[in-house]
Amino acid sequence: GAVVSQHPSWVICKSGTSVKIECRSLDFQATTMFWYRQFPKQSLMLMATSNEGSKATYEQGVEKDKFLINHASLTLSTLTVTSAHPEDSSFYICSAEKRGNSPLHFGNGTRLTVT
Amino acid sequence: DAKTTQPPSMDCAEGRAANLPCNHSTISGNEYVYWYRQIHSQGPQYIIHGLKNNETNEMASLIITEDRKSSTLILPHATLRDTAVYYCIVRANTGNQFYFGTGTSLTVIP
Repeated sequence: GAVVSQHPSWVICKSGTSVKIECRSLDFQATTMFWYRQFPKQSLMLMATSNEGSKATYEQGVEKDKFLINHASLTLSTLTVTSAHPEDSSFYICSAEKRGNSPLHFGNGTRLTVT
Repeated sequence: DAKTTQPPSMDCAEGRAANLPCNHSTISGNEYVYWYRQIHSQGPQYIIHGLKNNETNEMASLIITEDRKSSTLILPHATLRDTAVYYCIVRANTGNQFYFGTGTSLTVIP
């Protein structure tokens, strides 16, 4: 159990366009979802924490108007990279947490390439 | 921000035990120790977590010192598929932020 599905697994887009990434918890209700980005040979950097039905909490230095997060239901959160630029090219990973003290479960990531 | 320190890299012979250390000297009383691993270009995989007592599951064992300032993840019989970056994370209860440190890159050698 505790499967997190992320879609798409990879995407290529042109500079200036927007890209939406979906994160779904398939077999549990996720009270909290987290979004990370990871550059090559680096660790995961937390971008924002998303609670169902409320606004996301962004980490310092992460532009909330550029990285729009919507957590509309207990099984779905979306990250939209708006007006993407080549420097936004990265590996984006989501994770979801069940209610109660349990470990986070991670999606398999989305490789975004902005040309 | 990450509250753990780990060696950047380690090697282990296939079939031998891999012992990965983690220092978390500023851990609070309500913070758990979590271990994850990440194989190249995949999402992190949960391994094990604990609060005070040692824990064991089908993947690994977690040994936490009595003062809780450090822990060791033990993979009892390392295989080539255990080659990955291993992350040690401390975190309090549900809903709190989950920060990754730099991790340990484990290479299992044939």
